Amino acid sequence: SAVISQKPSRDICQRGTSLTIQCQVDSQVTMMFWYRQQPGQSLTLIATANQGSEATYESGFVIDKFPISRPNLTFSTLTVSNMSPEDSSIYLCSVEFGPEAFFGQGTRLTVV
Amino acid sequence: KQEVTQIPAALSVPEGENLVLNCSFTDSAIYNLQWFRQDPGKGLTSLLLIQSSQREQTSGRLNASLDKSSGRSTLYIAASQPGDSATYLCAVRGGSARQLTFGSGTQLTVLP
Repeated sequence: SAVISQKPSRDICQRGTSLTIQCQVDSQVTMMFWYRQQPGQSLTLIATANQGSEATYESGFVIDKFPISRPNLTFSTLTVSNMSPEDSSIYLCSVEFGPEAFFGQGTRLTVV
Repeated sequence: KQEVTQIPAALSVPEGENLVLNCSFTDSAIYNLQWFRQDPGKGLTSLLLIQSSQREQTSGRLNASLDKSSGRSTLYIAASQPGDSATYLCAVRGGSARQLTFGSGTQLTVLP
């Protein structure tokens, strides 16, 4: 298993600003995943982050809106840029060990 | 495209009752299926992982079954407790990218 720490756990932000979410894992992993969970919805994959290369974004998500960094094998950040109320969601990072996925405790973002 | 459905969307039961949560998926070509628990506003906790070659997995009071050919999985919770109250999500892994596709969850309330 893995211990995944996310910061911040929650935040309230003004529209038009940006928020950077940090994800720290207690073991080295090749890939880290970022998901969004909109209110009342299930999880949607935003992007996959590999160390030393550009993140791979899913359809509907773009790098200008959700830039991702992956400076080493235990850490990643997701930035939500130029926020609007529609960005209010829970953002989760995830890693995989073998066939099993593990998640951080999530960042609950409210944009006002 | 894989679609995952969970029924019911919400369930309320008295403490001590045995219950079954359902998960169905449209594409039977999966690698595995994972059940998660999510407490309000929080991240996901992995409960059980079933590989595509397996029929069931057990952990304590939880038992998950998989019928790949019919595209169904069930999560059986024995002797439910108020602490079991949470949203239960199933996710299937499949496709060339081996991505996880999530259901929308079943919100369980166990009444004391």
